[in-house]
Amino acid sequence: AQSVTQPDARVTVSEGASLQLRCKYSSSVTPYLFWYVQYPRQGLQLLLKYYSGDPVVQGVNGFEAEFSKSNSSFHLRKASVHWSDSAVYFCGAQGTGSKLSFGKGAKLTVSP
Amino acid sequence: NAGVIQTPRHKVTGKGQEATLWCEPISGHSAVFWYRQTIVQGLEFLTYFRNQAPIDDSGMPKERFSAQMPNQSHSTLKIQSTQPQDSAVYLCASSLGGSSYEQYFGPGTRLTVL
Repeated sequence: AQSVTQPDARVTVSEGASLQLRCKYSSSVTPYLFWYVQYPRQGLQLLLKYYSGDPVVQGVNGFEAEFSKSNSSFHLRKASVHWSDSAVYFCGAQGTGSKLSFGKGAKLTVSP
Repeated sequence: NAGVIQTPRHKVTGKGQEATLWCEPISGHSAVFWYRQTIVQGLEFLTYFRNQAPIDDSGMPKERFSAQMPNQSHSTLKIQSTQPQDSAVYLCASSLGGSSYEQYFGPGTRLTVL
């Protein structure tokens, strides 16, 4: 079984600033890793995924994430945030089974 | 592609009543997942079907909750004798199947038990 920790429940950044949302996982094997975004009253939308290979993966809307096996981490980054990026971001891990385990989420507020 | 469809979007029930939630997966997807989302617990896995067969129900409460997938085009989650603690957003997701495929989520059904 795996677990996911997102240490920052609320993050506020200024528009145009860079962003990093942290994610750490605990698993006996390296899981598949995902970042999802949830806008108000909507379901989860996939931003990016990591299965293997290049530890830096690119996603939609300028998001990228970096996998680190040594740190058991999968941090999400964006070079310049826009007000429309305000949402809740979830890190997810999928182990040998197919179910996803999620962190508690990070609510991002982009201030003008 | 309409994406994963969930109906109703909102449901209000009285304590002790039954609630049935519907999910229509993306056409061609063979796996369907149910999750529950609350402020306190976050996102929790409930159950999973592949090719209509139940594969993993390890997250389902032992009483009052049941899920079915009678055909490839829909799945239902039924909660009998609803209690206020069942109030949550219930999310359905589908995927092409297997653990190497990403899951696509529906908009969720917000269940409120009075």
